[in-house]
Amino acid sequence: EVQLLESGGGLVQPGGSLRLSCAASGFTFRSHWMNWVRQGPGKGLEWVASIKQDGSETYYADSVKGRFTISRDNAENSLILQMNSLRGDDTAIFYCARGTRGFLIATDGFDLWGQGTLVTVSS
Amino acid sequence: SYELTQPSSVSVSPGQTASITCSGDKVEDKYVYWYQQKPGQSPVLVIYQDTKRPSAIPERFSGSNSGNTATLTISGAQPTDEADFFCQAWDSENGVFGGGTKLTVL
Repeated sequence: EVQLLESGGGLVQPGGSLRLSCAASGFTFRSHWMNWVRQGPGKGLEWVASIKQDGSETYYADSVKGRFTISRDNAENSLILQMNSLRGDDTAIFYCARGTRGFLIATDGFDLWGQGTLVTVSS
Repeated sequence: SYELTQPSSVSVSPGQTASITCSGDKVEDKYVYWYQQKPGQSPVLVIYQDTKRPSAIPERFSGSNSGNTATLTISGAQPTDEADFFCQAWDSENGVFGGGTKLTVL
């Protein structure tokens, strides 16, 4: 079955760190750009970060730049989001989303989403 | 930074046509993507590259993009179409989402 399965969410204090994982199955993971998208409680979708097929390029939203790091392990079919210096406004459901197989990220949207993992930043 | 603007809500009667707009500066120069999200569920891609429909999406969903406005059209809306809809584009290598539109079918 083609799917993405996120894990690693939970409750963390402001200033703390958390590591999210996304396990991919049923498709050729190494062929796709991969992304993280989040959704605050009762809010819309916010793009967080993207990584190229071979990990050679990464891009971040201004709101997380310098605090979050996206990475991938193509041998393990996994996507990682390391989150440091967490703040209250980082509270959200974090989704792993599959992107394009193309050379350029902007050639397609997000055609497969995981179920999401909830991150709550609170003291 | 680039912005996409959507109406917060749209209402339609069952069987009628619903149009949801997504406005952005010269958005016609970008590909626009549309996602449907039902309560408690993950988003689903319903339109890609402005006008294309994934095979699993009903034919009543269609898209267009011209000038400063992209539009998602649902022809013959069904009660099951009630959901939040988000448009999305790329500004260089940065993803941008519209604020979302709640579609009510009643």
